[in-house]
Parts: sequence; structure tokens; C-alpha cells
Amino acid sequence: AQSVTQLDSQVPVFEEAPVELRCNYSSSVSVYLFWYVQYPNQGLQLLLKYLSGSTLVKGINGFEAEFNKSQTSFHLRKPSVHISDTAEYFCAVSTNAGGTSYGKLTFGQGTILTVHP
Amino acid sequence: EPEVTQTPSHQVTQMGQEVILRCVPISNHLYFYWYRQILGQKVEFLVSFYNNEISEKSEIFDDQFSVERPDGSNFTLKIRSTKLEDSAMYFCASNARGWDEQFFGPGTRLTVL
Repeated sequence: AQSVTQLDSQVPVFEEAPVELRCNYSSSVSVYLFWYVQYPNQGLQLLLKYLSGSTLVKGINGFEAEFNKSQTSFHLRKPSVHISDTAEYFCAVSTNAGGTSYGKLTFGQGTILTVHP
Repeated sequence: EPEVTQTPSHQVTQMGQEVILRCVPISNHLYFYWYRQILGQKVEFLVSFYNNEISEKSEIFDDQFSVERPDGSNFTLKIRSTKLEDSAMYFCASNARGWDEQFFGPGTRLTVL
């Protein structure tokens, strides 16, 4: 079974500052990794994903994440945040188990990013 | 851009009543999912559905829950006899390939009184 840990439940930051949201996972098989964002009273929107290939992946709204297999991490970064980035961010993992995947996503607890002016 | 839709946006029901939550996945998607998020907690997987049958279900998805794809467009989650602890936001999701990103609907907030 896989698990995801988001180390920070809340991250306050000032506008235009850089931010890193941390995510670590545990799995005995290969994983696919995702970051989703949830704005207030809305559903989950994909920010970026790692399926294979380059370990540095770029997503929407200037976010990027780096897959580190040795550290089992997939931290999310943005060099300069905006007020509009205030939201809850979820790291999620799925696996390809036994050659067949049904895509079950396992989510972390979420990190609330609050950007202050 | 195609999107997943869910109805209703908010459902209030009495304990013990049956509820049906409805979802319209993206039209060319083949894999369908239900997740729930209890207030203040993480998003939890309930069930996945492919080729007109359940692919995988979690421990939460007990005999009180069922899913159905009654026609070519709708995907429903039924809770037969609701409990207070079923109060949560329920998200439907779909994708074209089981292992790729899932597209989520806006959710249905279920309140059980």
C-alpha cells in the first residue's frame, strides 16, 4: 500500500516570495505523482504530474516540482507567489500494480498556502 | 474544455435515508472514481469503476454504498441508509487512461442530520 505525507499543514508566505510545499511518499512499487490545487468551494484542479522521464516537471501558474526517487519526495515550488495562489494543495500518488492500474489516488493531508500582501 | 459535472451541489438528508449523488464524467473517459473529503481531513478514495464493474474499492465502501453507470453518460453513487458520519464532500473523477491524471468534478456536499 502507498502513503503520502505532506509535512506542513499550513504555509504562510508574503507575496512575491518563493515557496516550497513538501511531499514525501511511501510505496513498494513504481509511482505516478500529482499535485492538485483546491480553491475555496471548488473541486480539485491538476497543477502538474510526474509519470516518467525528466524528474523536473513544470505545471500551470508557474509551479514546478522535482521527483527525487532516493528521497521519495516530490516537493512543489514556485519562485514568486501571488495572492491568487492562496489555496489548499494536495500531493497524490498512484501506482501501476502488477501491470494493471486502476488509478486509485492516495492523497496527502493537504497544505494550506496563504499568501499575504 | 470538457469538464466533469456533479449534481446536486449540496444535499441535505435525514439519517437513514437513501441518497443518490450524480456525476457526468468527460465523454471519452473510460475510468470513473468516487472520493470523499470529510471536513478538515484528507481526500479519501472510495471506489473505481471500469468496463461496467468495480475495479477497486476501499474499506469505506461497504454494503451501504453502490455505484452504477445507468446509461452512457451518468455515473452515480448511492448510499442506502445514510449515517451522520457520511457527511462529507463527495468528488467524482474520470480519466481516459487509468494511471493518468484524473479530472475532478466540483463536488457534492452531503449533510446528514
